[in-house]
Order: sequence, then C-alpha cells, then structure tokens
Amino acid sequence: IAGITQAPTSQILAAGRRMTLRCTQDMRHNAMYWYRQDLGLGLRLIHYSNTAGTTGKGEVPDGYSVSRANTDDFPLTLASAVPSQTSVYFCASSIDSTSSYEQYFGPGTRLTVT
Amino acid sequence: GQNIDQPTEMTATEGAIVQINCTYQTSGFNGLFWYQQHAGEAPTFLSYNVLDGLEEKGRFSSFLSRSKGYSYLLLKELQMKDSASYLCAVRDSNYQLIWGAGTKLIIKP
Repeated sequence: IAGITQAPTSQILAAGRRMTLRCTQDMRHNAMYWYRQDLGLGLRLIHYSNTAGTTGKGEVPDGYSVSRANTDDFPLTLASAVPSQTSVYFCASSIDSTSSYEQYFGPGTRLTVT
Repeated sequence: GQNIDQPTEMTATEGAIVQINCTYQTSGFNGLFWYQQHAGEAPTFLSYNVLDGLEEKGRFSSFLSRSKGYSYLLLKELQMKDSASYLCAVRDSNYQLIWGAGTKLIIKP
C-alpha cells in the first residue's frame, strides 16, 4: 500500500441498506477525514479523527458514523442509506490537524443510492 | 456563516497566464490551501499560505491578503494538462478546512 486506499471504488446501493466505506492509510498520519463531494458544491466534511481513538462531527454528519480503532483505518458507515447520500466520498489524512501539512486524499468511492 | 467564493469556470490559452481568485469569510483563519483536481480523480495539494504575500512554486504561485480575505492562484506557461478544477480551502478557527466549490479551468490550444 502506498498512501491512502479506499474500497469499494464504486457501489450501487438500495435505499435502506447498510454500507461501510473503507479507508486505510500507511503514512502513520494522526488525522483522518471523510468528505463528500457533490456537483456544484465544495467538499463537505462528514466526520474527522485527530488521533486514533477519537472522532468528531463535521459539517454534515447526519446518517453517517465512523470509528478509529487504530492509526491506519477509518471506516465510514451509512446505517440506512437514503438517495440524498448519493455522492463521491473521499477519505483524507494529514500528519496532524493543526500544522501546515496538507491533507492527502484517497481515490474516492462513487456511491449511488437508489 | 462561512463562505468561500471562486469563479465557476475559466478559459485560457495554452502558453498563457491565468489568475484564479478566491475570497473567503470564515470564523477564524489558520491558513489557506489550493488543490488541483482532475476530472474523476482525487484532489492533490498545490500550495499553502498562512502569511500575507506571494508563495512561488515552479509555474504555480499563490498570493494571500488576510486583511482583504483574498487569495489568488497564478498559473504560468499553461499546458493542456493544467485543465482541471482548482479548489480553494481555508482552515478555520477549529482547524477544519472549509472548501470552495472549485474553478474549472479549460485550456484551449
């Protein structure tokens, strides 16, 4: 693994189903983030984690949950998917949350909820 | 509320210079980032400004004026591969990034 990986690459999901988007980084970064990107809108932060064992809510957390059991993994779960959660989801990481270091992004997961 | 404004789309000619502006109103300021995003791909980091002035990195430069809530990204000697969206993001008082919607740059031969 080099950098950040996400799985699946794309998914079509029936409304009401549960889905977990996976994110793994091998850079030993402390901070990790989940964003959604919708046409015409900027990236919007869903949840974040400043360090393993801690998580926080971003701008649009409703309908999503996360966990950070270790440094490398940061899964995002949709408990009961709705069509408005159709989006491209990006996972990102940075050395920490307060320094000048940039965020590195995974390749994204394109999710369609029908 | 927090707001980042960028032009939606710009067109420029190969070999020319283009300036992409970004204005912001955020709760606090802890740095401004520019990212490049090609269609269907992830954003990649271009530049970071936290103090007023110009940061130059090869063909790309970024300028910041904190008093005016204003930044620009300057791209010189444009190449076809520079066709992409350019995202402006400000880190607010909670150290969260607030993102603009991005500027789609179209390069014509």
